[in-house]
Amino acid sequence: DQQVKQNSPSLSVQEGRISILNCDYTNSMFDYFLWYKKYPAEGPTFLISISSIKDKNEDGRFTVFLNKSAKHLSLHIVPSQPGDSAVYFCAASFQGAQKLVFGQGTRLTINP
Amino acid sequence: NAGVMQNPRHLVRRRGQEARLRCSPMKGHSHVYWYRQLPEEGLKFMVYLQKENIIDESGMPKERFSAEFPKEGPSILRIQQVVRGDSAAYFCASSPLKGNTEAFFGQGTRLTVV
Repeated sequence: DQQVKQNSPSLSVQEGRISILNCDYTNSMFDYFLWYKKYPAEGPTFLISISSIKDKNEDGRFTVFLNKSAKHLSLHIVPSQPGDSAVYFCAASFQGAQKLVFGQGTRLTINP
Repeated sequence: NAGVMQNPRHLVRRRGQEARLRCSPMKGHSHVYWYRQLPEEGLKFMVYLQKENIIDESGMPKERFSAEFPKEGPSILRIQQVVRGDSAAYFCASSPLKGNTEAFFGQGTRLTVV
Protein backbone atom coordinates (compact mmCIF):
# COMPACT_ATOMS: atom_id res chain seq x y z
CA ASP A 1 0.00 0.00 0.00
CA GLN A 2 1.95 2.96 -1.35
CA GLN A 3 0.55 5.95 0.55
CA VAL A 4 2.97 8.42 -1.03
CA LYS A 5 3.64 8.13 -4.74
CA GLN A 6 6.07 9.78 -7.07
CA ASN A 7 4.97 8.58 -10.46
CA SER A 8 7.90 9.92 -12.45
CA PRO A 9 11.04 7.84 -11.83
CA SER A 10 13.15 10.37 -13.70
CA LEU A 11 13.09 13.91 -15.02
CA SER A 12 15.52 15.74 -17.28
CA VAL A 13 15.61 19.56 -17.35
CA GLN A 14 17.84 22.07 -19.03
CA GLU A 15 20.00 24.26 -16.81
CA GLY A 16 18.31 27.55 -16.02
CA ARG A 17 14.78 26.25 -16.61
CA ILE A 18 12.20 25.26 -14.02
CA SER A 19 12.14 21.75 -12.57
CA ILE A 20 8.78 20.53 -11.29
CA LEU A 21 8.66 17.35 -9.24
CA ASN A 22 5.31 15.87 -8.33
CA CYS A 23 4.02 13.77 -5.47
CA ASP A 24 0.59 12.31 -4.69
CA TYR A 25 -0.66 10.89 -1.42
CA THR A 26 -3.66 8.85 -0.42
CA ASN A 27 -3.87 9.25 3.36
CA SER A 28 -5.91 12.33 4.25
CA MET A 29 -4.51 12.18 7.80
CA PHE A 30 -1.13 13.44 6.61
CA ASP A 31 -0.62 17.00 7.79
CA TYR A 32 3.06 17.67 7.20
CA PHE A 33 5.01 17.19 4.00
CA LEU A 34 8.72 17.35 3.28
CA TRP A 35 11.09 17.13 0.35
CA TYR A 36 14.50 15.53 0.66
CA LYS A 37 17.36 15.49 -1.81
CA LYS A 38 19.73 12.54 -2.01
CA TYR A 39 23.08 12.14 -3.71
CA PRO A 40 24.52 8.64 -4.34
CA ALA A 41 26.09 7.03 -1.27
CA GLU A 42 24.83 9.80 1.00
CA GLY A 43 21.88 10.23 3.31
CA PRO A 44 18.84 12.30 2.37
CA THR A 45 19.19 16.03 2.99
CA PHE A 46 16.19 18.08 4.06
CA LEU A 47 15.14 20.70 1.51
CA ILE A 48 11.82 22.23 2.39
CA SER A 49 8.59 21.39 4.17
CA ILE A 50 4.99 22.50 4.31
CA SER A 51 2.22 22.15 6.84
CA SER A 52 -1.27 21.25 5.71
CA ILE A 53 -2.55 24.63 6.91
CA LYS A 54 -0.60 26.27 4.09
CA ASP A 55 -0.70 25.87 0.34
CA LYS A 56 2.70 27.29 -0.50
CA ASN A 57 6.11 27.59 1.09
CA GLU A 58 9.11 29.22 -0.52
CA ASP A 59 12.81 29.08 0.33
CA GLY A 60 15.17 30.62 -2.18
CA ARG A 61 15.02 28.68 -5.44
CA PHE A 62 12.71 26.06 -3.93
CA THR A 63 8.94 26.33 -3.63
CA VAL A 64 6.57 23.64 -2.47
CA PHE A 65 2.89 23.78 -3.38
CA LEU A 66 0.22 21.75 -1.61
CA ASN A 67 -3.22 20.99 -3.05
CA LYS A 68 -5.09 19.20 -0.28
CA SER A 69 -8.25 18.59 -2.26
CA ALA A 70 -6.24 16.78 -4.93
CA LYS A 71 -3.88 15.22 -2.37
CA HIS A 72 -1.01 16.49 -4.46
CA LEU A 73 2.15 18.42 -3.80
CA SER A 74 4.89 19.65 -6.06
CA LEU A 75 8.39 21.00 -5.70
CA HIS A 76 9.49 23.77 -8.04
CA ILE A 77 13.16 24.56 -8.50
CA VAL A 78 13.95 27.70 -10.43
CA PRO A 79 16.38 28.28 -11.95
CA SER A 80 17.68 24.71 -12.10
CA GLN A 81 21.41 24.26 -11.61
CA PRO A 82 23.74 21.31 -12.35
CA GLY A 83 24.19 20.73 -8.60
CA ASP A 84 20.47 20.04 -8.35
CA SER A 85 20.99 16.72 -10.12
CA ALA A 86 20.03 14.13 -7.49
CA VAL A 87 17.18 11.90 -6.39
CA TYR A 88 14.32 13.80 -4.76
CA PHE A 89 12.06 12.16 -2.22
CA CYS A 90 8.70 13.40 -1.11
CA ALA A 91 7.72 12.41 2.46
CA ALA A 92 4.66 12.83 4.66
CA SER A 93 3.78 12.46 8.30
CA PHE A 94 0.90 13.14 10.67
CA GLN A 95 0.64 14.28 14.25
CA GLY A 96 1.46 11.68 16.81
CA ALA A 97 3.09 9.33 14.34
CA GLN A 98 6.54 10.90 14.00
CA LYS A 99 7.60 8.50 11.28
CA LEU A 100 7.94 9.67 7.70
CA VAL A 101 6.32 7.88 4.78
CA PHE A 102 8.45 8.29 1.67
CA GLY A 103 7.70 8.17 -2.02
CA GLN A 104 9.86 6.10 -4.36
CA GLY A 105 11.90 9.08 -5.49
CA THR A 106 12.43 10.98 -8.75
CA ARG A 107 15.87 11.19 -10.30
CA LEU A 108 16.39 14.74 -11.55
CA THR A 109 19.09 15.40 -14.14
CA ILE A 110 19.99 18.96 -15.02
CA ASN A 111 21.56 19.22 -18.46
CA PRO A 112 23.99 22.03 -19.26
CA ASN B 1 27.80 20.54 15.61
CA ALA B 2 28.43 17.18 14.02
CA GLY B 3 25.63 15.63 12.04
CA VAL B 4 24.11 12.22 12.50
CA MET B 5 26.96 9.71 12.53
CA GLN B 6 26.51 6.16 11.33
CA ASN B 7 29.06 3.40 11.31
CA PRO B 8 30.20 1.39 9.65
CA ARG B 9 29.54 2.93 6.22
CA HIS B 10 29.84 -0.46 4.57
CA LEU B 11 29.30 -3.85 6.16
CA VAL B 12 29.67 -7.26 4.54
CA ARG B 13 28.26 -10.29 6.30
CA ARG B 14 27.89 -13.92 5.33
CA ARG B 15 24.47 -15.49 5.54
CA GLY B 16 23.70 -16.49 9.11
CA GLN B 17 25.99 -13.92 10.75
CA GLU B 18 24.90 -10.96 12.85
CA ALA B 19 25.00 -7.35 11.71
CA ARG B 20 25.23 -4.41 14.13
CA LEU B 21 24.64 -0.92 12.82
CA ARG B 22 25.36 2.11 14.99
CA CYS B 23 23.90 5.58 14.98
CA SER B 24 24.88 8.61 17.04
CA PRO B 25 22.23 11.34 16.75
CA MET B 26 22.97 15.02 16.43
CA LYS B 27 23.83 16.75 19.69
CA GLY B 28 20.68 17.67 21.54
CA HIS B 29 18.50 15.25 19.58
CA SER B 30 16.68 12.65 21.64
CA HIS B 31 14.55 11.08 18.90
CA VAL B 32 16.08 8.45 16.61
CA TYR B 33 14.56 6.73 13.59
CA TRP B 34 15.80 3.87 11.45
CA TYR B 35 14.85 3.51 7.79
CA ARG B 36 15.76 0.92 5.19
CA GLN B 37 16.16 1.53 1.48
CA LEU B 38 16.08 -1.42 -0.88
CA PRO B 39 17.55 -0.94 -4.37
CA GLU B 40 15.46 1.37 -6.57
CA GLU B 41 12.94 1.99 -3.79
CA GLY B 42 12.15 4.75 -1.35
CA LEU B 43 13.03 4.70 2.31
CA LYS B 44 10.83 2.56 4.52
CA PHE B 45 10.34 3.34 8.20
CA MET B 46 11.50 0.65 10.57
CA VAL B 47 11.56 1.94 14.15
CA TYR B 48 11.36 5.10 16.25
CA LEU B 49 13.16 5.31 19.58
CA GLN B 50 13.73 7.75 22.36
CA LYS B 51 16.33 7.23 25.07
CA GLU B 52 15.77 3.75 26.55
CA ASN B 53 12.35 3.44 24.91
CA ILE B 54 11.00 1.98 21.68
CA ILE B 55 8.11 4.23 20.70
CA ASP B 56 7.04 2.75 17.36
CA GLU B 57 8.40 -0.44 15.84
CA SER B 58 5.61 -0.99 13.37
CA GLY B 59 8.05 -1.18 10.44
CA MET B 60 10.39 -3.73 11.97
CA PRO B 61 10.29 -7.32 10.71
CA LYS B 62 8.92 -9.55 13.44
CA GLU B 63 11.95 -11.80 13.60
CA ARG B 64 15.72 -11.31 13.64
CA PHE B 65 15.59 -7.49 13.88
CA SER B 66 15.94 -5.47 17.07
CA ALA B 67 16.82 -1.91 17.99
CA GLU B 68 17.88 -0.07 21.10
CA PHE B 69 18.81 3.44 22.16
CA PRO B 70 20.48 3.18 25.57
CA LYS B 71 20.86 5.96 28.07
CA GLU B 72 24.52 6.22 27.14
CA GLY B 73 25.96 5.53 23.73
CA PRO B 74 24.64 5.20 20.20
CA SER B 75 21.47 3.62 18.95
CA ILE B 76 22.03 0.08 17.64
CA LEU B 77 20.11 -1.75 14.94
CA ARG B 78 20.83 -5.45 15.20
CA ILE B 79 20.06 -8.04 12.57
CA GLN B 80 20.55 -11.65 13.56
CA GLN B 81 21.13 -14.51 11.12
CA VAL B 82 21.24 -12.22 8.10
CA VAL B 83 19.85 -13.36 4.76
CA ARG B 84 20.48 -12.03 1.25
CA GLY B 85 17.22 -10.08 1.36
CA ASP B 86 18.60 -7.97 4.22
CA SER B 87 21.07 -6.37 1.78
CA ALA B 88 20.09 -2.71 1.71
CA ALA B 89 21.09 0.76 2.81
CA TYR B 90 20.08 1.47 6.40
CA PHE B 91 19.65 5.10 7.36
CA CYS B 92 19.37 6.60 10.78
CA ALA B 93 17.76 9.98 11.39
CA SER B 94 17.36 12.16 14.44
CA SER B 95 15.18 15.07 15.45
CA PRO B 96 15.16 17.37 18.45
CA LEU B 97 11.47 17.63 19.14
CA LYS B 98 8.35 15.60 19.23
CA GLY B 99 5.81 16.58 16.63
CA ASN B 100 6.14 17.54 13.02
CA THR B 101 9.65 18.59 12.25
CA GLU B 102 12.30 17.66 9.77
CA ALA B 103 14.56 14.75 10.61
CA PHE B 104 18.28 14.88 9.84
CA PHE B 105 19.75 11.79 8.25
CA GLY B 106 23.09 10.11 8.55
CA GLN B 107 25.04 8.87 5.54
CA GLY B 108 23.76 5.36 5.96
CA THR B 109 25.24 1.89 6.33
CA ARG B 110 25.25 -0.24 3.23
CA LEU B 111 24.83 -3.86 4.27
CA THR B 112 25.78 -6.56 1.81
CA VAL B 113 25.00 -10.18 2.65
CA VAL B 114 27.04 -12.70 0.69
